[in-house]
Amino acid sequence: SQTIHQWPATLVQPVGSPLSLECTVEGTSNPNLYWYRQAAGRGLQLLFYSVGIGQISSEVPQNLSASRPQDRQFILSSKKLLLSDSGFYLCAWSVGGFGEAFFGQGTRLTVV
Amino acid sequence: AQTVTQSQPEMSVQEAETVTLSCTYDTSESDYYLFWYKQPPSRQMILVIRQEAYKQQNATENRFSVNFQKAAKSFSLKISDSQLGDAAMYFCAYRSPRKGATNKLIFGTGTLLAVQP
Repeated sequence: SQTIHQWPATLVQPVGSPLSLECTVEGTSNPNLYWYRQAAGRGLQLLFYSVGIGQISSEVPQNLSASRPQDRQFILSSKKLLLSDSGFYLCAWSVGGFGEAFFGQGTRLTVV
Repeated sequence: AQTVTQSQPEMSVQEAETVTLSCTYDTSESDYYLFWYKQPPSRQMILVIRQEAYKQQNATENRFSVNFQKAAKSFSLKISDSQLGDAAMYFCAYRSPRKGATNKLIFGTGTLLAVQP
């Protein structure tokens, strides 16, 4: 069966520090991968999606970037965090058919 | 562009009672997919139910069912025999089936459901 791993679960980082969040998927090949952000009390905003290795599309201009070095690995990064980068980050994957997304457990990022 | 609207920020239901969460969406497409996700306090997003727009029959999963009104672009979720474990944030989501849409989900802002014992 398919599983998705996302880490770390929580992270507190100072303003201006770098960021690296990692997500890996097991049990499926060539998934579509997504990074979403959920601000407190808000819905989910799609940040990046990827349909294959090295293929990244950005949905909103921001201080973050994403990379997909391997088929089932998706990384969210920043060179210098801003206070506004605080939030709950969710990685997700999908394949064909219904295309519903399956989510990781999320990372709560607090920038201080 | 497609949009999803959940007009009820918060709802409350008594245990064992039935509650309906509302969702409307805007699209010019004729075929698409709709979903309800549940986000409990653990923050894990869990798929509750899904509906294909070309199917007239409403989807059902145990105590969860939908009322899909395509002409009205409405997709409500009914929870029967509510349980304490149903307390969560519920999100409605839309997906276009078009090639190139990459299965992106468009989410509503969520409805926080409280279940009273």
